Amino acid sequence: AQSVAQPEDQVNVAEGNPLTVKCTYSVSGNPYLFWYVQYPNRGLQFLLKYITGDNLVKGSYGFEAEFNKSQTSFHLKKPSALVSDSALYFCAVILRPYGGSQGNLIFGKGTKLSVKP
Amino acid sequence: NAGVTQTPKFRILKIGQSMTLQCAQDMNHNYMYWYRQDPGMGLKLIYYSVGAGITDKGEVPNGYNVSRSTTEDFPLRLELAAPSQTSVYFCASSPGTTSSYEQYFGPGTRLTVT
Repeated sequence: AQSVAQPEDQVNVAEGNPLTVKCTYSVSGNPYLFWYVQYPNRGLQFLLKYITGDNLVKGSYGFEAEFNKSQTSFHLKKPSALVSDSALYFCAVILRPYGGSQGNLIFGKGTKLSVKP
Repeated sequence: NAGVTQTPKFRILKIGQSMTLQCAQDMNHNYMYWYRQDPGMGLKLIYYSVGAGITDKGEVPNGYNVSRSTTEDFPLRLELAAPSQTSVYFCASSPGTTSSYEQYFGPGTRLTVT
């Protein structure tokens, strides 16, 4: 079955330290990968995506993610965490059906990031 | 642009009641989606639409219906509400072009069925 896994329910980081939020995927074909962030009582906001090209993609708020095809991973990273980065982070992959339609997002269960001062 | 708007923000329903969750977008996006978010479960796709007059089921469509008469609006109908439909519902839209796959989400509707 095609799926997205976020192995950590919660990640705790001290402000100023680097952070990593892990994501692995299991899909057939070439995946289109995304990271979204959800602040309390808000909808999801797009952070970044990998479609093709450079394996290291940069996104909003200083976040970046590295696509690793051999390890089927797309980990989210930031060199220096801020308290304001505390939120729920979702990894997602598009399953693109035959016929060229855009496909639908499959989400991981989310990882809660807590950044302490 | 207002982006994606949803009404109401909160609603409590009794078992067996019906209601419509409203969703509108002003970005002229072709694709629109309805998700539900349950604690620790991520988001599950209920229904989606690739354009006015075209809708299709997602992963968890049972107990819901949708329609898409205009590009802007994509209402979600709950018939005969059940406690299992207690959730947070998110509407989203995307341009539907080959260069842009990201989805834009509304603020959500928190629904409780008792």
